[in-house]
Amino acid sequence: TQLLEQSPQFLSIQEGENLTVYCNSSSVFSSLQWYRQEPGEGPVLLVTVVTGGEVKKLKRLTFQFGDARKDSSLHITAAQPGDTGLYLCAGVNTNAGKSTFGDGTTLTVKP
Amino acid sequence: KAGVTQTPRYLIKTRGQQVTLSCSPISGHRSVSWYQQTPGQGLQFLFEYFSETQRNKGNFPGRFSGRQFSNSRSEMNVSTLELGDSALYLCASSFGQGALNYGYTFGSGTRLTVV
Repeated sequence: TQLLEQSPQFLSIQEGENLTVYCNSSSVFSSLQWYRQEPGEGPVLLVTVVTGGEVKKLKRLTFQFGDARKDSSLHITAAQPGDTGLYLCAGVNTNAGKSTFGDGTTLTVKP
Repeated sequence: KAGVTQTPRYLIKTRGQQVTLSCSPISGHRSVSWYQQTPGQGLQFLFEYFSETQRNKGNFPGRFSGRQFSNSRSEMNVSTLELGDSALYLCASSFGQGALNYGYTFGSGTRLTVV
């Protein structure tokens, strides 16, 4: 069974601070996705990274895929209250053809 | 373009009953996956359908089943409901299947409560 470990599990910060969320596994993934979920709704895809070492930027969010394609990070610069939500990473395994989700990081940004 | 539509949004059932949940994927998406989300277990994979065939299955008992129709719409069924089946059931569609899934579009989910 593949596991994706996310850390930290909970994060509460003040508006304007920076933060990084980590997603780690011992398995190699063909691609890795990051989602954000708000209460009562389904997750929304933020980004997909495919190549080892790849870095993608989405406004204040920076996503990185590890060189070995086993881990990823999400960095948010100058967090805003609108960034509050559950952040989930999901790895796609080439052989199994399945997506495995991490347990998520609950982020609260206080004004 | 319309998103993924799940019906119903909320459902309350009694132990022992059965339930059917419905999902209409984004037009053009042929892959539909189902996930169960609970506070303690996170997002757990139930199954994936592509072109009316189940391509992958998670570690859930046989009480959980699904199917996909020729128009890519999908249904999942849970028989003999147990209290532990209370959860948010999420449907996700994607253009690619399995390893070619470059990102899901999720529906808003069906909140199932078993009493």
